[in-house]
Amino acid sequence: EAQVTQNPRYLITVTGKKLTVTCSQNMNHEYMSWYRQDPGLGLRQIYYSMNVEVTDKGDVPEGYKVSRKEKRNFPLILESPSPNQTSLYFCASRLAGGADTQYFGPGTRLTVL
Amino acid sequence: AQKVTQAQTEISVVEKEDVTLDCVYETRDTTYYLFWYKQPPSGELVFLIRRNSFDEQNEISGRYSWNFQKSTSSFNFTITASQVVDSAVYFCALMTYGGNNRKLIWGLGTSLAVNP
Repeated sequence: EAQVTQNPRYLITVTGKKLTVTCSQNMNHEYMSWYRQDPGLGLRQIYYSMNVEVTDKGDVPEGYKVSRKEKRNFPLILESPSPNQTSLYFCASRLAGGADTQYFGPGTRLTVL
Repeated sequence: AQKVTQAQTEISVVEKEDVTLDCVYETRDTTYYLFWYKQPPSGELVFLIRRNSFDEQNEISGRYSWNFQKSTSSFNFTITASQVVDSAVYFCALMTYGGNNRKLIWGLGTSLAVNP
């Protein structure tokens, strides 16, 4: 089954404790992206990657890091999480060319205390 | 500037009613795509439809239909004979061809409650 997976689905952590949210897709998509969803602000792009070893900032990259060492994986790293990073996070992927549909993972609900 | 506006924040209907969710977009690009996604209470984002700027033909899929009008920059979504399972937040999004990112620009969503 074609899908985007994210882990963990739920996470409660404390300020300053490094964490990684994993994202993996099995559709051989070149493009991957991370979004955060907050009430009243909608979905905002954090980082995106056009292909392996090619990443760039989205609209709200501060406090986040990403890496793209393999085509299928695009982890989101919070080196020192803060309470304002409490949010619902989505990973998405699509083919790089044209305007192919983005498919989303199930979401990761992160709470930083 | 690119922008998507979903003016209806919340809509509440009774089952079997028809309901239309409005979406108005702004872009100067001539080539762009419009999308609708559904976010049920479980939280995932489910793709519903994609429409490109050169195809103004309306589309129907079961109880769902979409009305794309370039003249008014609108891409409205109608659910006919709504059901409780249609209760969700619905997002309209725009993708333009500017740059490599071609990110999705999202509306803030319309929360639809279908009551039995």
